[in-house]
Amino acid sequence: QSALTQPASVSGSPGQSITISCTGTSSDVGSYNLVSWYQQHPGKVPKLMIYEGSERPSGVSNRFSGSKSGNTASLTISGLQAEDEADYYCCSYAGSSTYVFGTGTKVNVL
Amino acid sequence: QVQLVQSGAEVKKPGASVTVSCKASGYTFTNYYTHWVRQAPGQGLEWMGIINPSGGGPSYAQNFWGRVTLTSHMSTVYMELSTLRSEDTAVYYCVRGSKLSDLRMDVWGQGTTVTVSS
Repeated sequence: QSALTQPASVSGSPGQSITISCTGTSSDVGSYNLVSWYQQHPGKVPKLMIYEGSERPSGVSNRFSGSKSGNTASLTISGLQAEDEADYYCCSYAGSSTYVFGTGTKVNVL
Repeated sequence: QVQLVQSGAEVKKPGASVTVSCKASGYTFTNYYTHWVRQAPGQGLEWMGIINPSGGGPSYAQNFWGRVTLTSHMSTVYMELSTLRSEDTAVYYCVRGSKLSDLRMDVWGQGTTVTVSS
């Protein structure tokens, strides 16, 4: 099972919107609407930001949104803030009770 | 409150085995899966496996077949990784997983650092 492909880094200025892509295959992202996204600040535990493709857990800002098209899922952060600077990982169900994470994306707030 | 508390840091020699525990509290343990995820220094997250505390066999990532074993007892899940090598140096996390259709992983343990060094 190969890791899902994410860009190494994405940058944006405060207030802007950025989008992080997560590309898998027809065996994982393409087959299930079960992509989740995690935010991880340096030295911290990952935090669930989006699940089931586009659902936000209670307490997560509505500036975070998720979507999917074919084998690619996306996370969009609108109204970028300094606190959004972190690493972001996607994760997809891959069938037969297995899961796969993305390679991770570092978001830089300029 | 809902939490997963993991055992402390470990230092092991190559070829040895390590067992990390994860104790759940604040929710009905058998109503959720428990995943294990690891993160090598400066690297990304890697899914290792999943166990259903209410029964059924665990499922493991192909990269760990034959080396990882997940078990559960009462409100604690154990992850044993054998034949350790330097590349297994990482922070190991247990994560609560939903049994609903969304399959979300929503609560993470604090992480356990495992260092493999001769």
